[in-house]
Amino acid sequence: EAGVAQSPRYKIIEKRQSVAFWCNPISGHATLYWYQQILGQGPKLLIQFQNNGVVDDSQLPKDRFSAERLKGVDSTLKIQPAKLEDSAVYLCASHSLAYQETQYFGPGTRLLVL
Amino acid sequence: AQSVAQPEDQVNVAEGNPLTVKCTYSVSGNPYLFWYVQYPNRGLQFLLKYITGDNLVKGSYGFEAEFNKSQTSFHLKKPSALVSDSALYFCAVRSSSGNTPLVFGKGTRLSVIA
Repeated sequence: EAGVAQSPRYKIIEKRQSVAFWCNPISGHATLYWYQQILGQGPKLLIQFQNNGVVDDSQLPKDRFSAERLKGVDSTLKIQPAKLEDSAVYLCASHSLAYQETQYFGPGTRLLVL
Repeated sequence: AQSVAQPEDQVNVAEGNPLTVKCTYSVSGNPYLFWYVQYPNRGLQFLLKYITGDNLVKGSYGFEAEFNKSQTSFHLKKPSALVSDSALYFCAVRSSSGNTPLVFGKGTRLSVIA
């Protein structure tokens, strides 16, 4: 079974620029998550999708972050404009519909904002 | 509110010795508990989980964890450490009641010395 795919793996941008990350979850997984992992900390949930609907985006900085999952499969996370404090690893995870199931994580996108 | 505490930033152990990585949690209702491991420049890999049933959970790579409800703990253990176990370990919890987010601890770096 293929795992969660993410791209790009690394991205360097200057502050105030925009950036987008892509995630392809495990086939058949209805629930998809985006996490932000700042160096030295555990992952923090940004947004949760179930199919193509948003379940929880309470911790997403909506003035600069946006995410979509239009067809209920792939997802994109965008930052516009980026700030220095957005430097982090952005992790995508997915699981099947049952919420007690294990979340499986992609390799992450490491973002550096200069 | 849910929370996870990993009281040790770093755990050092000699190869062949038993290891323990500590985790305590706070959650409303019954917990779902998870351990993940993260190697450099990699995403989080699932090790094991407690949902219900036997308090001693066995997982990947010889790891196990014991759920202790009275002490609200879920410590990760391995009888004999390997150098290849050196990595960053994260404990995570979510409530069994409702679709609540998975909350991670800040991580514990395990260093196994040959």
